[in-house]
Amino acid sequence: DAKTTQPNSMESNEEEPVHLPCNHSTISGTDYIHWYRQLPSQGPEYVIHGLTSNVNNRMASLAIAEDRKSSTLILHRATLRDAAVYYCILRHLFGNEKLTFGTGTRLTIIP
Amino acid sequence: DVKVTQSSRYLVKRTGEKVFLECVQDMDHENMFWYRQDPGLGLRLIYFSYDVKMKEKGDIPEGYSVSREKKERFSLILESASTNQTSMYLCASSLEGGGPMGDEQYFGPGTRLTVT
Repeated sequence: DAKTTQPNSMESNEEEPVHLPCNHSTISGTDYIHWYRQLPSQGPEYVIHGLTSNVNNRMASLAIAEDRKSSTLILHRATLRDAAVYYCILRHLFGNEKLTFGTGTRLTIIP
Repeated sequence: DVKVTQSSRYLVKRTGEKVFLECVQDMDHENMFWYRQDPGLGLRLIYFSYDVKMKEKGDIPEGYSVSREKKERFSLILESASTNQTSMYLCASSLEGGGPMGDEQYFGPGTRLTVT
């Protein structure tokens, strides 16, 4: 399975945008990029996913590099509730439903 | 609203006991998963199931078994609990046929198991 690399931790000020990077240099053409987050004392929750084009939803935006070797999850205006561990995961188009979680990035929001 | 529930939030068991962790989903999902989460190791997949009575080993199945007699229920069994199985256990479910849609997994709140 292709692997992802994320910083262990990041800090951001409340009400400012946050850019969470993920490197996946061995990504294949049929790997989707998924992001999940885990709030304290909860199970992970889905955030967003994409293949080649940038994606937006109500929670976040996903910017995917042209060569697909990296991507960035963008929280446009961080709130205290966004403090969580964020996981970047690759999922093969024709693979099984399995997700392989890394250790993610712990995001701290400073009031 | 989508829901995955787990039988207990906290559980304390003794070494050698048989432990059952129950997970129920109300979304008619075909796929169900059991993970464990430990500090510094992230989430690791123990077992998953594509359908009733179907199961497949994940990355760390040793010391565990599973049961899926009904579509909505997926049980994780520790035949003889050991201290190294002290962990947070998370259940998840998803629709069959992810493919291009990359169907998301819905997680339960987790069970923190302590084996003494």
